[in-house]
Amino acid sequence: DIVMTQSPDSLAVSLGERATINCKSSQSVLYSSNNKNYLTWYQQKAGQPPKLLIYWASTRESGVPDRFSGSGSGTDFTLTISSLQAEDVAVYYCQQYYNTPLTFGGGTKVEIK
Amino acid sequence: QLQLQESGPGLVKPSETLSLTCTVSGGSISSSSYYWGWIRQPPGKGLEWIGSIYYSGNTYYNPSLKSRVTISVDTSKNQFSLKLSSVTAADTAVYYCAADIRFLEWSTPRAGWFDPWGQGTLVTVSS
Repeated sequence: DIVMTQSPDSLAVSLGERATINCKSSQSVLYSSNNKNYLTWYQQKAGQPPKLLIYWASTRESGVPDRFSGSGSGTDFTLTISSLQAEDVAVYYCQQYYNTPLTFGGGTKVEIK
Repeated sequence: QLQLQESGPGLVKPSETLSLTCTVSGGSISSSSYYWGWIRQPPGKGLEWIGSIYYSGNTYYNPSLKSRVTISVDTSKNQFSLKLSSVTAADTAVYYCAADIRFLEWSTPRAGWFDPWGQGTLVTVSS
């Protein structure tokens, strides 16, 4: 199984400041034949199901604010919220779809400082 | 707009079988664009993929649960279902159904990310 490790477990950021969440996979999720990273990010607010933010590591889902961006390749990935808003308080998860079983990171909780 | 809704008992006794159904609306479960998946989340913990199914009936399961899981599809009702046998307290979780995006990788179908998700249903295993 590909193990997804997120860091930090939680972070507190001031409104308008940058939040950076890391996700590391135990093996590369970059498929060399198409040069795509099989990595997605979700946002889960309290009491709600996860919501898709980004797929292919950096493609923003339609309707997702452009303050959310994904980057990275191979085994190391980052989700950046460029200017944190109050509505961004949530737990964020990465997930790989390079191999089954599909696996998720443990989550990163983002709060307002 | 695709929507999914889980249904089933919220309380299951230890050693019995958990059974849930997911009803898909706003689209056809026979779409070639999706697999249909189950994911669970123990209270206060992270997400675990249970398994997914294609409308044709092809399934793939998480090996950690494979011996206890059966996922089936009913295209006439636009529904798919989860059965998890021999449950214990460790199976207490919010169970989500979700559309599992299916894409082609050099003509080989692959499962991808989940979108959208159902609201989830809490299943408690207790006597």
